[in-house]
Amino acid sequence: SQKIEQNSEALNIQEGKTATLTCNYTNYSPAYLQWYRQDPGRGPVFLLLIRENEKEKRKERLKVTFDTTLKQSLFHITASQPADSATYLCALPVLSSNTGKLIFGQGTTLQVKP
Amino acid sequence: NAGVTQTPKFQVLKTGQSMTLQCAQDMNHNSMYWYRQDPGMGLRLIYYSASEGTTDKGEVPNGYNVSRLNKREFSLRLESAAPSQTSVYFCASSGRDTQYFGPGTRLTVL
Repeated sequence: SQKIEQNSEALNIQEGKTATLTCNYTNYSPAYLQWYRQDPGRGPVFLLLIRENEKEKRKERLKVTFDTTLKQSLFHITASQPADSATYLCALPVLSSNTGKLIFGQGTTLQVKP
Repeated sequence: NAGVTQTPKFQVLKTGQSMTLQCAQDMNHNSMYWYRQDPGMGLRLIYYSASEGTTDKGEVPNGYNVSRLNKREFSLRLESAAPSQTSVYFCASSGRDTQYFGPGTRLTVL
């Protein structure tokens, strides 16, 4: 069955540094991968989508890579700020589904210290 | 444009009571979803609806029922609440690939 793994340990970094979060998946080759941000007490918010034929995608200070050989996506936040502190979820489309169903990782909590 | 709205925000039930969680979206999306989120378990799909009038089970459907009354609204019903259903419930909708989530309902079953 499909499986997504994100580092369950919180990531603590200093303001201004680059945060790198990892998402690994097994047992299939997704057409795309998504990253969401979730703040405490709120619903997830979509950040970026990267397709299988894209190696890298950027949006402002965010960068996502997608290595279909390693079955891994890296999510980078450059020049991190305390406001970037949140839990970040990666998500993949459910196998054999064209309904938009996603399977989510458990998320990695990022804490940026001033 | 409110996006996805959910009611109520908080609810406490006793074991065996029933209740309905309401969800509505104003983005004209066809697909809608109900998830539960528990510590250490991540988001798990309970039910989804690909279009008005259709519903299908997700990963953890037992103990729940849903209704897609129209394109905007998708409700989740607990017929006889159990303590194992204590969780945070999120509704989401999607037009194509990305999902838009509501603010969630925090449910406690005593």
